[in-house]
Amino acid sequence: AQSVTQPDIHITVSEGASLELRCNYSYGATPYLFWYVQSPGQGLQLLLKYFSGDTLVQGIKGFEAEFKRSQSSFNLRKPSVHWSDAAEYFCAVAYNTGGFKTIFGAGTRLFVKA
Amino acid sequence: DSGVTQTPKHLITATGQRVTLRCSPRSGDLSVYWYQQSLDQGLQFLIQYYNGEERAKGNILERFSAQQFPDLHSELNLSSLELGDSALYFCASSDEAGVLGNEQFFGPGTRLTVL
Repeated sequence: AQSVTQPDIHITVSEGASLELRCNYSYGATPYLFWYVQSPGQGLQLLLKYFSGDTLVQGIKGFEAEFKRSQSSFNLRKPSVHWSDAAEYFCAVAYNTGGFKTIFGAGTRLFVKA
Repeated sequence: DSGVTQTPKHLITATGQRVTLRCSPRSGDLSVYWYQQSLDQGLQFLIQYYNGEERAKGNILERFSAQQFPDLHSELNLSSLELGDSALYFCASSDEAGVLGNEQFFGPGTRLTVL
């Protein structure tokens, strides 16, 4: 069955430090992968997506993610975190069943300290 | 602002009751998706509609139903409410159906509290 695992429930990083959020997926076919961000009281916003091609994907707000098929991973990175990046981050995998089903990970809450 | 609107923003009701949540997609988007976000279940896909027709179904309870109207707005009906139905319900829209890669734009959500 399809699943998404985000092993870190929360992460704290200092402002200006680098960030890596982990995501592992389980899916039999070619995965379609996403990272979303949710600020408190807000809906979800797409950061980036991967379908094919270059395994390093650039997104908005300076984020990037790397797809590694051998590790079934799609980790999100940012070289220098800003205080405004504090939010919850969700990794998701989508697949086509005639419609478009998306499975989300449990999320990783990012705290940024000054 | 994603362009997706949801009403009401908050809803408080009692067990056994029925409520209707409303979603208006972005202008031009034909697909609408419903999600439930709760502390114990996380973010779960419920159902997708495309141009008035059901396209994909997720973990939607039989007590829940949805529809998409000719003007493309959608409603999620929740009946015989239980305490465990308390959650944040999101609607999202996209401009294509069954075509992976289309970005979904999420609304701000409706927070449902069942007392």
